Amino acid sequence: DVKVTQSSRYLVKRTGEKVFLECVQDMDHENMFWYRQDPGLGLRLIYFSYDVKMKEKGDIPEGYSVSREKKERFSLILESASTNQTSMYLCASSLLADPARIGNTIYFGEGSWLTVV
Amino acid sequence: DAKTTQPNSMESNEEEPVHLPCNHSTISGTDYIHWYRQLPSQGPEYVIHGLTSNVNNRMASLAIAEDRKSSTLILHRATLRDAAVYYCILRDGGSVGGGFKTIFGAGTRLFVKA
Repeated sequence: DVKVTQSSRYLVKRTGEKVFLECVQDMDHENMFWYRQDPGLGLRLIYFSYDVKMKEKGDIPEGYSVSREKKERFSLILESASTNQTSMYLCASSLLADPARIGNTIYFGEGSWLTVV
Repeated sequence: DAKTTQPNSMESNEEEPVHLPCNHSTISGTDYIHWYRQLPSQGPEYVIHGLTSNVNNRMASLAIAEDRKSSTLILHRATLRDAAVYYCILRDGGSVGGGFKTIFGAGTRLFVKA
């Protein structure tokens, strides 16, 4: 069975702290994603990665960075957490899409609820 | 980037069919239409996808307009467990290396009444 595992389900951090959200997938997928989800705003893409050490900005990268040192692991980093980063964070993965954009399933983790106080 | 438009919410009675609409008037010729749903306190899960022809699977059916500018997800008999947020998305192509961005909107929240 396919699996995307997020290391922490619930976190509470203080303003200014450095926060690491870890995500691991066991499907040998090339693509991995980080989204945040806020009420009424749907899922917004923060960063994605299409290969080890490769990353691209999504729609809202400000205040975040990512790391992809191994194929199965994609980390989201909040260098200095702020209260407006309180949110639910979702990690996802999918197989590499070919240039013809064939349909391709995205698998999500269960989410990490981050509260910054 | 091609975008989708969905109603904010819809309501259905249990055991009745549900038709969830999605508009994607700027879809490109090779964009696939995907539907995902998100149950409470969970990450989204795949429901169905298609390119031009209507598609059926054990979860739902997908009806795609001939001009591909809209599509409809059909749940044939809604159950209480189908209460979720449904997302219609387009697979948006290509950065260097073959990767792609995937944009989710706010989706449609489906309420199912017993």
